[in-house]
Amino acid sequence: ETGVTQTPRHLVMGMTNKKSLKCEQHLGHNAMYWYKQSAKKPLELMFVYSLEERVENNSVPSRFSPECPNSSHLFLHLHTLQPEDSALYLCASSQVSSGSTTQYFGPGTRLLVL
Amino acid sequence: GQSLEQPSEVTAVEGAIVQINCTYQTSGFYGLSWYQQHDGGAPTFLSYNALDGLEETGRFSSFLSRSDSYGYLLLQELQMKDSASYFCAGYYGGATNKLIFGTGTLLAVQP
Repeated sequence: ETGVTQTPRHLVMGMTNKKSLKCEQHLGHNAMYWYKQSAKKPLELMFVYSLEERVENNSVPSRFSPECPNSSHLFLHLHTLQPEDSALYLCASSQVSSGSTTQYFGPGTRLLVL
Repeated sequence: GQSLEQPSEVTAVEGAIVQINCTYQTSGFYGLSWYQQHDGGAPTFLSYNALDGLEETGRFSSFLSRSDSYGYLLLQELQMKDSASYFCAGYYGGATNKLIFGTGTLLAVQP
């Protein structure tokens, strides 16, 4: 399998549920990102991991909890979400310090919170 | 903070040429990328301009003018499959390849 994969592709959850989104990159990159994409809004950067360390957290509510166990895997743990958290959650990876700033995106998880 | 502005929608016909503009804030700016996203799909990289001028890749070209804090994506010989959202993204330095994405432009190509 190549590129960046995300599972599940679709998720419906209640506000009291706990779920996790998974991202895996097969590109040998050393940085991974979580973005939120809502209708009619720019992609919002949530978290950045570089060399498996979280280097950025853009004021994301604590009901979103990222985890990066190794350079190929990234998780987003969700709990007690709100309806306004319904969105497309995109994972991306890139190779920092390579001279390229290109990010490679997964297909996303479309989340609906009821 | 940094923000990038684009027109929300553009409509054009097959075979035509369309230009999608992007204005950005200059503080800390290094370069401008463009990404394409089809409905329901992942954003995919199109181009990156670190220097002023035009970069050409097949039917798509991207332009940057640092003095005007402005760039554009030019799509030639439009095809129906070019109907998608197009995002500019500014690279503002740092060790993480962090990008700030623009508001996005929805391009509709009509027969």
